[in-house]
Amino acid sequence: SYELTQPPSVSVSPGQTASIACSGDKLGNKFVSWYQQKTGQSPALIIYQDTRRPSEIPERFSGSNSGNTATLTISGTQALDEADYYCQAWDNSAVVFGGGTKLTVL
Amino acid sequence: EVQLVEFGGGLVQPGGSLRLSCAVSGFSVSDNYMSWVRQAPGKGLECVSVIYSGDTTFYADSVKGRFTISRDNSKNTLYFQMNGLRVDDSAIYYCTRGRGGWYSFDHWGQGTQVTVSS
Repeated sequence: SYELTQPPSVSVSPGQTASIACSGDKLGNKFVSWYQQKTGQSPALIIYQDTRRPSEIPERFSGSNSGNTATLTISGTQALDEADYYCQAWDNSAVVFGGGTKLTVL
Repeated sequence: EVQLVEFGGGLVQPGGSLRLSCAVSGFSVSDNYMSWVRQAPGKGLECVSVIYSGDTTFYADSVKGRFTISRDNSKNTLYFQMNGLRVDDSAIYYCTRGRGGWYSFDHWGQGTQVTVSS
């Protein structure tokens, strides 16, 4: 079955840029979405179709996808961005999530 | 306003059954693909079932043959019948709306807790 791999944790200082990678076989040939989940809350979509943002998502969130790796980038990271982040792609009719990355802002 | 509200979770013994419901408003369940995504305590997200237009369904291997996804268009509600529950089915179950052209899930419910324990 298809797998997506994420680092368990990433740390960043406030105001700096955070990058979270998601890797999978030929992932660049698939559309990748990203979700943010804050403690005690439901996940929320922040990136779809590799690079697009829903209208309510701040511009500091961006995405890319090429080769075997998709990347979520958060520019000017704020304390309120501290959360778990999940990548997601489709493998035929199956929905696959990465294992999640805990972003710590310190 | 789009809303998804799940209910029907609870505590059940191994081998037991539960039926989850997801009442939606602001859109029609018949017009979108819908899914159930679960999250075990302290773990990541797992999509366990999807229902597409035309009622084509998908099930993860972990639940295939035990769980059934369905929808009632007249009640605008999504269902998840869970039979033969196991301890490792314990999780928060989220109902989600699929956004066709986006290849993603753009709205999530608040989740309902399912605990399987003797």
